[in-house]
Amino acid sequence: GAGVSQSPSNKVTEKGKDVELRCDPISGHTALYWYRQRLGQGLEFLIYFQGNSAPDKSGLPSDRFSAERTGESVSTLTIQRTQQEDSAVYLCASSAPGDGYEQYFGPGTRLTVT
Amino acid sequence: RKEVEQDPGPFNVPEGATVAFNCTYSNSASQSFFWYRQDCRKEPKLLMSVYSSGNEDGRFTAQLNRASQYISLLIRDSKLSDSATYLCVVNGRGYQKVTFGTGTKLQVIP
Repeated sequence: GAGVSQSPSNKVTEKGKDVELRCDPISGHTALYWYRQRLGQGLEFLIYFQGNSAPDKSGLPSDRFSAERTGESVSTLTIQRTQQEDSAVYLCASSAPGDGYEQYFGPGTRLTVT
Repeated sequence: RKEVEQDPGPFNVPEGATVAFNCTYSNSASQSFFWYRQDCRKEPKLLMSVYSSGNEDGRFTAQLNRASQYISLLIRDSKLSDSATYLCVVNGRGYQKVTFGTGTKLQVIP
């Protein structure tokens, strides 16, 4: 079946512009995560959605970052007024209930802020 | 203290060698543990879950030590294709919320 998809795969933007990244989770997966990974660094948790519960936003680095999810489907991560330090790969993952929390990752969006 | 800690490495080992990584976690209530593998410029993928009784999958063995709050991954007969970053994953606060370690880099040398 289809895996987690993300778009765009690559995004180059100018400093100060807003960007929107999209994630389509695996159908039926109730949990959805966003991570950031800078070059050569580990995964940095950003936000977590679980069904209709309030999202865990504890990893968002500043108020320039926000994310939404419509029900248990697509999610968008928005970065406003991008800065050069926002350059990274943004990874989305989803997991199903009862799967022992295995996460399935999308291929990521590589964001470059010039 | 970080929720999940790993030695970043790199571990440089010759082909055929046995190598082991440890990962410590801070939340004694954690219930689920995993090892993921991440190849260069690729997304992480599940390598194996870690069960309380320990588990083995071919050349890979995972162990859990709840008393000392760590998990381990043992790779026997290392192959060049094992070169990757190995991420430790532990469930943290809340249902299904998981935390990734920063990873241990393994380089298998011919």
